[in-house]
Parts: sequence; structure tokens; C-alpha cells
Amino acid sequence: GAVVSQHPSRVICKSGTSVKIECRSLDFQATTMFWYRQFPKQSLMLMATSNEGSKATYEQGVEKDKFLINHASLTLSTLTVTSAHPEDSSFYICSARVSDRDYGYTFGSGTRLTVV
Amino acid sequence: AQSVTQPDIHITVSEGASLELRCNYSYGATPYLFWYVQSPGQGLQLLLKYFSGDTLVQGIKGFEAEFKRSQSSFNLRKPSVHWSDAAEYFCAVVPASGGSNYKLTFGKGTLLTVNP
Repeated sequence: GAVVSQHPSRVICKSGTSVKIECRSLDFQATTMFWYRQFPKQSLMLMATSNEGSKATYEQGVEKDKFLINHASLTLSTLTVTSAHPEDSSFYICSARVSDRDYGYTFGSGTRLTVV
Repeated sequence: AQSVTQPDIHITVSEGASLELRCNYSYGATPYLFWYVQSPGQGLQLLLKYFSGDTLVQGIKGFEAEFKRSQSSFNLRKPSVHWSDAAEYFCAVVPASGGSNYKLTFGKGTLLTVNP
């Protein structure tokens, strides 16, 4: 089946540094990638939607200069958390639409970011 | 705007008992409906989805869900719960028309605890 590989699974970084999270579609072309943030014991909050070759669309309240999303190819989308601060610590998950036909979505395994 | 309500934040059942997780949606047009399961520190796995046709949908791991348009509900059921079913369960909807770039709207989730 359609698989999205997300790396790293865990990352600890110092405050003020940047962290890049990658999501790769392994056996399909992901024209649309979604990036979510999940706080402990809460639901997924959509941060942005990226379409290959175009700028990402950010949800209201999400700082696009802090959370840089790049979707340069049909198999790779990245989220870079710039100048990370402890409040950015969270669980980040990517998701891709698998098919226009059946509205399938597949999710990465998530990245636990801890900013110290 | 579309919304998804999962009324039960936390449910505890005994192993072998039956399970029903509730999901209600609010949306003006026809939605496509999904149930996902998330184990701690992991991404989301699709249990089942409803697009059209038979309103009783069979999924993986012995789960099923029934779409009831008159009640705007899509409840998830399992006749006999296994200890490995302990996880967080999310109901989600997307417009059938594909509006808003096919963005999923998630409920807040129901945490399932299974007692031995």
C-alpha cells in the first residue's frame, strides 16, 4: 500500500536552532501533502497544505516564516522549524493524499520535536 | 464550516466486550467519512472509510462502522475488543466535492483503554 516515510522520528534541538522534518512518499506520487501538529492528548491541528511545485497554504494562526514547508518534488515534502523555541515542542505528522479517485490519505509515523 | 464531534473523550472496556465509539458530523454537503487509530507516539492508521453505497462499512482489525445520514453519525463498532485495540481513535470527514483542497477535519479523539 501507499507509504509515507517520515524522518526523524525524534529530535532534540537547542533553542534558536532550526530543525528539518522530511516526508517521502515511497511508492506513489504525493501531489498534496498536509502537515499537522499534535499536542499531548489532543487531536491533530492542520498547519498547512502543500502542493508540489507551489507555495504552501497555511492555516490561520500558523506562522509561515517559522514553519517553512517545501514540496519541491512529487515524493518529498519538508517542514523546517526555524529558530525553534520550547513552545514549538510537539508531535508533527505529515499526510499525503494517495489518490484523487478514492480520497485515500496516508500518514507518516510522526516526529517528536523537543526544544531545550 | 464542517465539524466532527466525538462525545466520548475516554472509554474503558473489558477485553472481550463489545465496543462502540461515537462520531457525529456537521456538514452541509455530502461528506466522506473516515476512522483512524493512533498508537502512542505513532502516526495514524486507517481503519475504514465511507464514500457511498452500503452504509455498513467493514474495516481492518474486525472494526465496522455504520453511516446514518438521518443522525449525521458514523459510529465505530467492534464485537469483541482485544487488549491490542487500546489506542486513540479519530473520526474525520472531508467534503465529497473536494472543497478546501481536500482537507480532513478531525474529531478530538476517543482514548480507548482495555482492561484484562
